[in-house]
Amino acid sequence: DIVMTQSPLSLPVTPGEPASISCRSSESLLHSNGYNFLHWYLQKPGQSPQLLISLGSNRASGVPDRFTGSGSGTDFTLKISRVEAEDVGVYYCMQARQTPPYTFGQGTRLEIK
Amino acid sequence: QVQLVQSAAEVKKPGSSVRVSCKTSGGTFSTYGINWVRLAPGQGLEWMGRIIPIIDITNYAQKFQGRVTLTADRSTNTAYMDLRSLTSDDTAMYYCATQTIVGSTQFDYWGQGTLVTVSS
Repeated sequence: DIVMTQSPLSLPVTPGEPASISCRSSESLLHSNGYNFLHWYLQKPGQSPQLLISLGSNRASGVPDRFTGSGSGTDFTLKISRVEAEDVGVYYCMQARQTPPYTFGQGTRLEIK
Repeated sequence: QVQLVQSAAEVKKPGSSVRVSCKTSGGTFSTYGINWVRLAPGQGLEWMGRIIPIIDITNYAQKFQGRVTLTADRSTNTAYMDLRSLTSDDTAMYYCATQTIVGSTQFDYWGQGTLVTVSS
């Protein structure tokens, strides 16, 4: 199985400041079709997870443009240009390159300072 | 707009079984990939398995093989997850999540979750 490793696991951020989350996979997520099969999700407190970014860099419908996904192969990053209070929650990366199983990172808990 | 509505919370005894349902509306149920993901206390998201009703294919995580069964009723647009031989380690929030675009791999819609508590 592909192992996903996120860092940091806890991320305190001042509102208005940027934030960055790293996600690394034990094997390349780059398909021969040129897409990276890496997705990002956010689980806000008391809510179900929601899709943020698909295929490494495609924002899901309704996701603010302050969220940016980048990377390729085994190294990926989710960046928030200016953190807002509504961004608190746990962020997960998930690989879909070799399935089953789909595997998630451990999660990164973003909190407001 | 696709909506997923899951069954209510359950409290179960160790060794028993639980069935969680996921009723969908909007879109084309039979073509979806319907995944089941759980979140245990203090843990991260864990994929359990997937069913694609239109081709009646199921895939399971090795960890749950033999203990979980996924089914789908196309007449009611409802998916089911049966988990047997429950232990306290199965106490978790269980989510269904769909892949609504044929061939896609991201989970674009999620149910509200069903809390399963296993306790003697």
